[in-house]
Amino acid sequence: AQSVTQLDSQVPVFEEAPVELRCNYSSSVSVYLFWYVQYPNQGLQLLLKYLSGSTLVKGINGFEAEFNKSQTSFHLRKPSVHISDTAEYFCAVSVAGSNYQLIWGAGTKLIIKP
Amino acid sequence: EADIYQTPRYLVIGTGKKITLECSQTMGHDKMYWYQQDPGMELHLIHYSYGVNSTEKGDLSSESTVSRIRTEHFPLTLESARPSHTSQYLCASSVYGNEQFFGPGTRLTVL
Repeated sequence: AQSVTQLDSQVPVFEEAPVELRCNYSSSVSVYLFWYVQYPNQGLQLLLKYLSGSTLVKGINGFEAEFNKSQTSFHLRKPSVHISDTAEYFCAVSVAGSNYQLIWGAGTKLIIKP
Repeated sequence: EADIYQTPRYLVIGTGKKITLECSQTMGHDKMYWYQQDPGMELHLIHYSYGVNSTEKGDLSSESTVSRIRTEHFPLTLESARPSHTSQYLCASSVYGNEQFFGPGTRLTVL
């Protein structure tokens, strides 16, 4: 069965420092990949997605992610975080042949230290 | 403006009451979903629909039911609320094979 693993449940980082949130998936077929952000007491908002083409994907709020097929990873990065980036981040995978249901990671809480 | 709406945003209710959580989208999406999420935890799919008159149960067993009589409307009903139903409920919609768009969520507390 397909699965999505977010390797860190929490990532503390100082303001203006770079950050990487890790996401690995297990699937042998083609996938679509997504990163969502959830601010407190809100729904989820799409940060970026990979459907095809360039493996480096740029999203909103200065985030980017790189699809690595050989390592089955889709890590999220930002070169300089701001206090407003404090939120929960979810990685999700949509697998061909499964009616494109999203398989969700457990989430990573990004904690920005002043 | 195309969007997805959920009402109410917050609901506190006593045990045994019947409740309906509303979800509507104006994007014309065929696929709609209900997720249950406890605070700080992952999302669990409880119901989904591929279109009008189509409903399916998700991965997480739920005592709730859903209906899809109109494309834009996907309400979730609990016939008899219990404290174990206390959670956040998120509604989403999508175009086939693409990203899901989420509503703001309903935070339900059953006393």
